[in-house]
Amino acid sequence: GNSVTQMEGPVTLSEEAFLTINCTYTATGYPSLFWYVQYPGEGLQLLLKATKADDKGSNKGFEATYRKETTSFHLEKGSVQVSDSAVYFCALSANFGNEKLTFGTGTRLTIIP
Amino acid sequence: GAGVSQTPSNKVTEKGKYVELRCDPISGHTALYWYRQSLGQGPEFLIYFQGTGAADDSGLPNDRFFAVRPEGSVSTLKIQRTERGDSAMYLCASRLTGTANSPLHFGNGTRLTVT
Repeated sequence: GNSVTQMEGPVTLSEEAFLTINCTYTATGYPSLFWYVQYPGEGLQLLLKATKADDKGSNKGFEATYRKETTSFHLEKGSVQVSDSAVYFCALSANFGNEKLTFGTGTRLTIIP
Repeated sequence: GAGVSQTPSNKVTEKGKYVELRCDPISGHTALYWYRQSLGQGPEFLIYFQGTGAADDSGLPNDRFFAVRPEGSVSTLKIQRTERGDSAMYLCASRLTGTANSPLHFGNGTRLTVT
């Protein structure tokens, strides 16, 4: 079946540090890949997505590249801010028509001023 | 405009009781999903509606769980004979169509605690 393995947290960084959160997946076919973010007290929000190999999703300074050869979709940001503190979830949908998501376990990120 | 609304935001019930969790999707959204998120885990798919029908209920853990969407809008997740292991955050999400090109919008969830 489909699965997503995500870097375990929690992760604590200083402001302006470089961020990488690792994500690898197992899926049949050609899934779409997503990063969702959950800010404190809020619902899950889509951060970025990529729908085919070598696509790069980007939003709010975050980037992730769909790497089919390594089945990975690592999240990166060059300079994090305190406002980036949240829980980040990697997810995939298998594109079989209903687009249900399979999520990783989430990574809690805390940025210290 | 209004987002996905879930009520109640918190529900505490005793083991063995029946509970209903409500989801009001964004108006006009035909696709609706229920997920369950246990503490420290990612959301797990429960059921997907396209319009009024359950197009995929493969994630429902057992026959104590049931969901309806009779008019293709509001959905209710029903749990019979609740168990302590049912304690989790229940998330609802909706999108305009059932395709990945249509953004998925999540509600803030209902936190269910079974004592």
